Amino acid sequence: ETGVTQTPRHLVMGMTNKKSLKCEQHLGHNAMYWYKQSAKKPLELMFVYNFKEQTENNSVPSRFSPECPNSSHLFLHLHTLQPEDSALYLCASSQGLAGVTDTQYFGPGTRLTVL
Amino acid sequence: GQQLNQSPQSMFIQEGEDVSMNCTSSSIFNTWLWYKQDPGEGPVLLIALYKAGELTSNGRLTAQFGITRKDSFLNISASIPSDVGIYFCAGRGGGADGLTFGKGTHLIIQP
Repeated sequence: ETGVTQTPRHLVMGMTNKKSLKCEQHLGHNAMYWYKQSAKKPLELMFVYNFKEQTENNSVPSRFSPECPNSSHLFLHLHTLQPEDSALYLCASSQGLAGVTDTQYFGPGTRLTVL
Repeated sequence: GQQLNQSPQSMFIQEGEDVSMNCTSSSIFNTWLWYKQDPGEGPVLLIALYKAGELTSNGRLTAQFGITRKDSFLNISASIPSDVGIYFCAGRGGGADGLTFGKGTHLIIQP
Protein backbone atom coordinates (compact mmCIF):
# COMPACT_ATOMS: atom_id res chain seq x y z
CA GLU A 1 0.00 0.00 0.00
CA THR A 2 1.71 3.15 -1.24
CA GLY A 3 -0.96 5.67 -0.24
CA VAL A 4 -2.06 6.18 -3.84
CA THR A 5 -5.25 4.47 -4.97
CA GLN A 6 -6.67 4.14 -8.46
CA THR A 7 -10.08 3.08 -9.71
CA PRO A 8 -11.11 1.15 -11.61
CA ARG A 9 -8.31 -1.41 -11.68
CA HIS A 10 -9.51 -2.77 -15.02
CA LEU A 11 -11.54 -1.09 -17.75
CA VAL A 12 -12.72 -2.31 -21.13
CA MET A 13 -14.29 0.29 -23.39
CA GLY A 14 -15.35 0.75 -26.98
CA MET A 15 -13.93 3.48 -29.16
CA THR A 16 -17.09 5.59 -28.85
CA ASN A 17 -17.39 5.35 -25.07
CA LYS A 18 -16.62 8.03 -22.52
CA LYS A 19 -15.05 6.89 -19.28
CA SER A 20 -12.96 8.35 -16.48
CA LEU A 21 -10.06 7.08 -14.42
CA LYS A 22 -9.73 8.24 -10.83
CA CYS A 23 -6.67 8.63 -8.63
CA GLU A 24 -6.55 9.61 -4.99
CA GLN A 25 -3.50 10.12 -2.80
CA HIS A 26 -3.50 10.04 0.99
CA LEU A 27 0.07 11.27 1.44
CA GLY A 28 -0.49 15.01 1.70
CA HIS A 29 1.43 15.54 -1.53
CA ASN A 30 1.07 18.56 -3.77
CA ALA A 31 2.01 17.13 -7.17
CA MET A 32 0.23 14.41 -9.13
CA TYR A 33 1.07 12.71 -12.40
CA TRP A 34 -0.47 10.50 -15.08
CA TYR A 35 1.76 7.98 -16.88
CA LYS A 36 1.07 5.51 -19.67
CA GLN A 37 2.84 2.16 -19.55
CA SER A 38 2.82 0.08 -22.73
CA ALA A 39 4.53 -3.25 -23.24
CA LYS A 40 8.27 -3.02 -23.88
CA LYS A 41 8.34 0.76 -23.61
CA PRO A 42 9.55 3.07 -20.87
CA LEU A 43 6.97 4.79 -18.74
CA GLU A 44 5.56 7.75 -20.66
CA LEU A 45 4.72 10.87 -18.69
CA MET A 46 1.40 12.33 -19.80
CA PHE A 47 0.44 15.12 -17.40
CA VAL A 48 1.79 16.83 -14.29
CA TYR A 49 -0.23 18.86 -11.81
CA ASN A 50 1.25 20.90 -8.99
CA PHE A 51 -1.10 22.54 -6.47
CA LYS A 52 -4.01 21.71 -8.84
CA GLU A 53 -2.38 23.56 -11.75
CA GLN A 54 -1.26 21.69 -14.84
CA THR A 55 2.45 22.21 -15.30
CA GLU A 56 3.17 19.72 -18.03
CA ASN A 57 1.34 18.19 -20.96
CA ASN A 58 3.60 15.91 -22.95
CA SER A 59 1.89 16.36 -26.32
CA VAL A 60 -0.94 14.07 -25.26
CA PRO A 61 -3.85 13.75 -27.72
CA SER A 62 -6.97 15.67 -26.76
CA ARG A 63 -8.94 12.44 -26.38
CA PHE A 64 -7.24 12.31 -22.97
CA SER A 65 -8.46 15.10 -20.71
CA PRO A 66 -7.08 15.44 -17.18
CA GLU A 67 -8.80 17.12 -14.26
CA CYS A 68 -7.37 17.97 -10.86
CA PRO A 69 -10.05 19.41 -8.55
CA ASN A 70 -7.73 19.42 -5.53
CA SER A 71 -4.27 18.23 -4.54
CA SER A 72 -5.57 14.82 -3.46
CA HIS A 73 -7.59 13.85 -6.52
CA LEU A 74 -6.72 13.45 -10.17
CA PHE A 75 -8.95 12.27 -12.99
CA LEU A 76 -8.27 11.23 -16.56
CA HIS A 77 -11.30 11.57 -18.80
CA LEU A 78 -11.28 9.33 -21.85
CA HIS A 79 -13.24 9.93 -25.06
CA THR A 80 -13.12 8.28 -28.50
CA LEU A 81 -9.99 6.31 -27.74
CA GLN A 82 -8.13 4.10 -30.20
CA PRO A 83 -7.06 0.47 -29.73
CA GLU A 84 -3.43 1.62 -29.47
CA ASP A 85 -4.40 3.51 -26.32
CA SER A 86 -4.75 0.18 -24.53
CA ALA A 87 -2.16 0.21 -21.74
CA LEU A 88 -1.65 0.41 -18.00
CA TYR A 89 -2.34 3.95 -16.81
CA LEU A 90 -0.46 4.84 -13.68
CA CYS A 91 -1.02 7.71 -11.31
CA ALA A 92 1.76 8.99 -9.07
CA SER A 93 2.19 11.72 -6.50
CA SER A 94 5.10 13.56 -4.93
CA GLN A 95 5.48 16.15 -2.23
CA GLY A 96 6.89 18.68 -4.67
CA LEU A 97 8.55 18.95 -8.04
CA ALA A 98 12.20 19.50 -7.14
CA GLY A 99 15.01 17.84 -5.30
CA VAL A 100 14.24 15.29 -2.62
CA THR A 101 10.57 16.25 -2.64
CA ASP A 102 10.03 14.98 -6.15
CA THR A 103 10.27 11.30 -5.25
CA GLN A 104 7.18 9.82 -6.83
CA TYR A 105 4.91 7.17 -5.34
CA PHE A 106 2.74 5.18 -7.71
CA GLY A 107 -0.75 3.78 -7.55
CA PRO A 108 -1.55 0.23 -8.72
CA GLY A 109 -2.68 1.40 -12.14
CA THR A 110 -5.75 0.95 -14.32
CA ARG A 111 -5.44 -1.70 -17.03
CA LEU A 112 -7.32 -0.19 -19.99
CA THR A 113 -8.40 -2.17 -23.02
CA VAL A 114 -9.93 -0.33 -25.97
CA LEU A 115 -11.90 -2.53 -28.36
CA GLY B 1 15.16 14.44 -24.42
CA GLN B 2 17.14 12.55 -21.83
CA GLN B 3 17.48 8.81 -22.28
CA LEU B 4 18.35 6.05 -19.89
CA ASN B 5 19.92 2.77 -20.90
CA GLN B 6 19.03 0.06 -18.44
CA SER B 7 20.69 -3.33 -18.56
CA PRO B 8 20.31 -6.16 -18.68
CA GLN B 9 16.86 -6.31 -20.22
CA SER B 10 16.19 -9.60 -18.47
CA MET B 11 17.96 -11.95 -16.07
CA PHE B 12 17.42 -15.63 -15.41
CA ILE B 13 19.11 -16.61 -12.16
CA GLN B 14 19.05 -19.33 -9.53
CA GLU B 15 17.57 -18.68 -6.12
CA GLY B 16 20.31 -17.54 -3.75
CA GLU B 17 22.40 -15.84 -6.40
CA ASP B 18 23.33 -12.17 -6.29
CA VAL B 19 21.89 -9.83 -8.92
CA SER B 20 23.33 -6.69 -10.42
CA MET B 21 21.71 -4.25 -12.84
CA ASN B 22 22.57 -0.74 -13.92
CA CYS B 23 21.44 2.36 -15.70
CA THR B 24 23.49 4.83 -17.68
CA SER B 25 22.59 8.21 -19.03
CA SER B 26 24.04 10.49 -21.66
CA SER B 27 23.43 13.48 -19.37
CA ILE B 28 23.92 14.30 -15.72
CA PHE B 29 21.20 13.43 -13.23
CA ASN B 30 20.63 14.89 -9.76
CA THR B 31 18.36 12.12 -8.55
CA TRP B 32 18.31 8.38 -9.12
CA LEU B 33 15.41 6.21 -8.07
CA TRP B 34 14.95 2.46 -8.23
CA TYR B 35 11.47 0.91 -8.42
CA LYS B 36 10.13 -2.64 -8.53
CA GLN B 37 6.92 -3.52 -10.33
CA ASP B 38 5.02 -6.75 -9.75
CA PRO B 39 2.58 -8.02 -12.40
CA GLY B 40 -0.66 -6.05 -12.40
CA GLU B 41 0.65 -3.49 -9.90
CA GLY B 42 2.25 -0.08 -10.02
CA PRO B 43 5.96 0.51 -9.41
CA VAL B 44 7.01 0.57 -5.76
CA LEU B 45 9.92 2.75 -4.69
CA LEU B 46 12.89 0.72 -3.42
CA ILE B 47 15.72 3.19 -3.02
CA ALA B 48 16.17 6.92 -3.65
CA LEU B 49 19.60 8.50 -4.21
CA TYR B 50 20.23 12.24 -4.15
CA LYS B 51 24.03 12.70 -3.95
CA ALA B 52 26.81 11.61 -6.27
CA GLY B 53 28.70 8.70 -4.74
CA GLU B 54 25.87 7.90 -2.33
CA LEU B 55 25.55 4.22 -1.46
CA THR B 56 22.26 3.22 0.13
CA SER B 57 20.94 -0.11 1.33
CA ASN B 58 17.43 -1.36 1.92
CA GLY B 59 17.61 -4.88 3.31
CA ARG B 60 19.23 -7.10 0.69
CA LEU B 61 19.17 -4.25 -1.84
CA THR B 62 22.04 -1.83 -2.36
CA ALA B 63 22.10 1.01 -4.85
CA GLN B 64 24.75 3.58 -5.70
CA PHE B 65 24.65 6.98 -7.36
CA GLY B 66 27.64 7.04 -9.71
CA ILE B 67 30.38 9.61 -9.19
CA THR B 68 29.99 10.87 -12.75
CA ARG B 69 26.24 11.39 -12.04
CA LYS B 70 25.53 9.54 -15.27
CA ASP B 71 24.97 6.08 -13.88
CA SER B 72 23.54 4.05 -11.03
CA PHE B 73 23.49 0.40 -10.12
CA LEU B 74 21.25 -1.82 -8.04
CA ASN B 75 22.43 -5.01 -6.40
CA ILE B 76 20.27 -7.68 -4.80
CA SER B 77 22.04 -10.18 -2.58
CA ALA B 78 20.93 -13.78 -2.01
CA SER B 79 17.88 -13.57 -4.26
CA ILE B 80 14.60 -15.16 -3.15
CA PRO B 81 11.49 -16.04 -5.18
CA SER B 82 9.62 -12.85 -4.19
CA ASP B 83 12.36 -10.77 -5.85
CA VAL B 84 10.81 -11.70 -9.20
CA GLY B 85 9.50 -8.69 -11.06
CA ILE B 86 10.54 -5.78 -13.22
CA TYR B 87 13.04 -3.31 -11.82
CA PHE B 88 13.06 0.25 -13.16
CA CYS B 89 15.60 2.96 -12.73
CA ALA B 90 14.52 6.58 -12.98
CA GLY B 91 16.61 9.70 -13.08
CA ARG B 92 15.99 13.39 -12.86
CA GLY B 93 18.19 16.16 -14.19
CA GLY B 94 18.26 19.72 -12.98
CA GLY B 95 15.83 22.57 -13.29
CA ALA B 96 12.31 21.68 -14.35
CA ASP B 97 13.20 18.25 -15.73
CA GLY B 98 10.84 15.45 -14.85
CA LEU B 99 11.75 11.85 -14.21
CA THR B 100 13.12 9.75 -17.05
CA PHE B 101 12.56 6.01 -16.74
CA GLY B 102 14.59 3.10 -18.02
CA LYS B 103 12.88 0.27 -19.90
CA GLY B 104 13.23 -2.08 -16.96
CA THR B 105 15.10 -5.25 -16.05
CA HIS B 106 12.91 -8.33 -15.89
CA LEU B 107 14.19 -10.61 -13.11
CA ILE B 108 13.24 -14.27 -13.25
CA ILE B 109 14.35 -16.64 -10.52
CA GLN B 110 14.56 -20.37 -11.02
CA PRO B 111 14.17 -22.41 -7.84
